Amino acid sequence: GDSVTQMEGPVTLSEEAFLTINCTYTATGYPSLFWYVQYPGEGLQLLLKATKADDKGSNKGFEATYRKETTSFHLEKGSVQVSDSAVYFCALSSGSGGSNYKLTFGKGTLLTVNP
Amino acid sequence: SQTIHQWPATLVQPVGSPLSLECTVEGTSNPNLYWYRQAAGRGLQLLFYSVGIGQISSEVPQNLSASRPQDRQFILSSKKLLLSDSGFYLCAWSRGYEQYFGPGTRLTVT
Repeated sequence: GDSVTQMEGPVTLSEEAFLTINCTYTATGYPSLFWYVQYPGEGLQLLLKATKADDKGSNKGFEATYRKETTSFHLEKGSVQVSDSAVYFCALSSGSGGSNYKLTFGKGTLLTVNP
Repeated sequence: SQTIHQWPATLVQPVGSPLSLECTVEGTSNPNLYWYRQAAGRGLQLLFYSVGIGQISSEVPQNLSASRPQDRQFILSSKKLLLSDSGFYLCAWSRGYEQYFGPGTRLTVT
């Protein structure tokens, strides 16, 4: 079945440091890929997405490129801020051919950014 | 625009008591609806999903049940809570491959 593996945290960085959170996946067919962010005590927010190979998703300074050859979707940001402290989830969606699309999530990576 | 509501925000219940969590979506019609559980320090586990009124699919055997009495209403229930039911419950909706999450309900079973 489908699966997502992301680097385990926690990850602790200083403000303005470079961030990479690795994510690899296993799926049949051609899944869509997502990064979600969860701030403390809140639900998940969609951060960015990519729907086909070589697509780059970007939002709020974060980027991730859909690499089919390496089955990866690594999250990067050039300069993190304290406000980026959160849990980040990599996820994939594989359509069932009907109207339902299930998300398969990684276990999440806790990021803490210190001033 | 679409919004998703969950209530209550927090809940403390004794073991053996019943449970009812509610999720409603506004601004869209015929969405797919999902219930997830997030245990402390762990990822998200899909519990139920629904593609229409009265249509419920269960992903894992458990002490919980779900119902969809109206197009934009999704309810998570239990007749008798267990300690292991504690966690953060998230409802989500979708019309395609993107899912949008509610604010969640923190359930503590004592």
